[in-house]
Amino acid sequence: DQQVKQNSPSLSVQEGRISILNCDYTNSMFDYFLWYKKYPAEGPTFLISISSIKDKNEDGRFTVFLNKSAKHLSLHIVPSQPGDSAVYFCAASALQTGNQFYFGTGTSLTVIP
Amino acid sequence: GAVVSQHPSWVICKSGTSVKIECRSLDFQATTMFWYRQFPKQSLMLMATSNEGSKATYEQGVEKDKFLINHASLTLSTLTVTSAHPEDSSFYICSARSIDSWGEAFFGQGTRLTVV
Repeated sequence: DQQVKQNSPSLSVQEGRISILNCDYTNSMFDYFLWYKKYPAEGPTFLISISSIKDKNEDGRFTVFLNKSAKHLSLHIVPSQPGDSAVYFCAASALQTGNQFYFGTGTSLTVIP
Repeated sequence: GAVVSQHPSWVICKSGTSVKIECRSLDFQATTMFWYRQFPKQSLMLMATSNEGSKATYEQGVEKDKFLINHASLTLSTLTVTSAHPEDSSFYICSARSIDSWGEAFFGQGTRLTVV
């Protein structure tokens, strides 16, 4: 049972434009959310996180939005750069149930120069 | 950020043999380490959660006798794939969470296992 879902397997964006990656979850106990970037044959690299007490967190070009009522979060990258091309995973965890991370299926982002 | 070292980065083994993968937190103490498996073009699937000094908690469908996890210290966890078969070929990734934080986890670089 996939508790974290990313419904778009791929996304192409022109350099300089905004990239929006979406993520939905089903477990209402999740209280901490993260986005990771991953290149092939490498481990994921942490990008940005948000706890359930917030609805927005910003770090440079990356902003994560959380809509708890909709169980939805999104990652905005502005402006997009070719080096941002990678697979992006959202992950969620719940303090009350052991804190293990559950990952979405990933979205492959391609930024076109 | 904190560094998690995973070794080896790739390994090829014969069917029926066992393979050990190490995961070390280099500059922090990790009370909890996680082991993931990734199939091609698929998500990272959590296999098990290990806490230092106690038995690992395995996710449903993961054979604990096949995937032996040992978390012997606050900086080292090992995953041993026993009696490996070709279907065990995959990309295995560990992650570690700092003793000081329940938030962010840091990932190793992954191990590509090929069983021939």
